[in-house]
Amino acid sequence: QVQLVQSGAEVKKPGSSVKVSCKASGGTFSSETINWVRQAPGQGLEWMGGIIPIFATANNAQKFQGRVTITADESTRTAYMELSSLTSEDTAVYYCARSVAVRSAMDVWGQGTTVTVSS
Amino acid sequence: DIQMTQSPSTLSASVGGRVTITCRASQSISSWLAWYQQKPGKAPKLLIQKASSLESGVPSRFSGSGSGTEFTLTISSLQPDDFATYYCQQYKSDPLTFGGGTKVEI
Repeated sequence: QVQLVQSGAEVKKPGSSVKVSCKASGGTFSSETINWVRQAPGQGLEWMGGIIPIFATANNAQKFQGRVTITADESTRTAYMELSSLTSEDTAVYYCARSVAVRSAMDVWGQGTTVTVSS
Repeated sequence: DIQMTQSPSTLSASVGGRVTITCRASQSISSWLAWYQQKPGKAPKLLIQKASSLESGVPSRFSGSGSGTEFTLTISSLQPDDFATYYCQQYKSDPLTFGGGTKVEI
């Protein structure tokens, strides 16, 4: 059974960076897409980008270009999302979620990581 | 970018009632549409993909239909466990986009 386990909650200062991890157990990992989706308090879901570990090239949403770095380590079956130049508007729950193929829905989700940006 | 518009944003219903949620895409996405259920403090859960394909373990009272630009999620007989927020999502092309959500409340 595939499971995604994310790193713990973070509190960051404005202008700093945060790096969230997502460790996969089960499944293939290397040829699957790991997506990153965030949800601001009381708001909807927003896709940030995704990566297929075996290709090692992320596809990011234009909104986050230049600020988000998505990587994956096949040896540890862990994906990472780093977001820089944080502002209070980046306060959100960040989820990783798996898609088994390029054209498939996100069928397995991590538990979420709360990132709070506050001075 | 493909815009996804859900309606209504909030829906009041009773246990045993029938619920229909609509999702419209700004351009054709064929059947590349998923529906998710999210409860407070929890990650979304995939209910339906490919517009109408029910995920394993999801009760049969949930069904999805539509193709192109207009889609519906129907709950045939609402149960207490179904009170949640529902999101549609297109995965025809990047950036992947979600509808704004529909909160189903008592």
